[in-house]
Amino acid sequence: DAGITQSPRHKVTETGTPVTLRCHQTENHRYMYWYRQDPGHGLRLIHYSYGVKDTDKGEVSDGYSVSRSKTEDFLLTLESATSSQTSVYFCAISESGYQETQYFGPGTRLLVL
Amino acid sequence: EDKVVQSPLSLVVHEGDTVTLNCSYEVTNFRSLLWYKQEKKAPTFLFMLTSSGIEKKSGRLSSILDKKELFSILNITATQTGDSAVYLCAVFYGQNFVFGPGTRLSVLP
Repeated sequence: DAGITQSPRHKVTETGTPVTLRCHQTENHRYMYWYRQDPGHGLRLIHYSYGVKDTDKGEVSDGYSVSRSKTEDFLLTLESATSSQTSVYFCAISESGYQETQYFGPGTRLLVL
Repeated sequence: EDKVVQSPLSLVVHEGDTVTLNCSYEVTNFRSLLWYKQEKKAPTFLFMLTSSGIEKKSGRLSSILDKKELFSILNITATQTGDSAVYLCAVFYGQNFVFGPGTRLSVLP
């Protein structure tokens, strides 16, 4: 299995509070991605990174920000969590972008009350 | 609009049956199509397809891409209960990457 960890694995928070999810990889892959997965919607890309300090928006980026200060870490922040952000969040990595397979982390289950 | 459509969305079969899962897409600047298997955890990679007509095979699973008709199929022969999962199709196009909704396969003993 690719060396990808996510923390926390489960989180319950209240509406309006900030939340940061962490993705850590030991593969030294250039690309990292954040997805959310919801019933009826499949996996949807939130943001991705193609290098340290290089990030771009995905399909559902509103309400989320990301940062990547080191190759191995990609942070996803919900500045002010809303109930619509209750979801399972997956981090993924790939070596060099679209021509490479993405390997997924174990996921973080987030509940916003 | 739906860029990646999978069918059926749900399928129930018995062990030993053969199943065919479909993925059709409508995108510009297509680059690759990937199949993933997802059980009660993270998706795991099955196949990546970039060229038409070349079958990828791994054990009882195989997949092929038709870039002219814009679809791919995933075949599973002699299904086992361990094949029960959601099968996800994803397409890279331009600088974008989009997943289909998945097909939930249930294999009964």
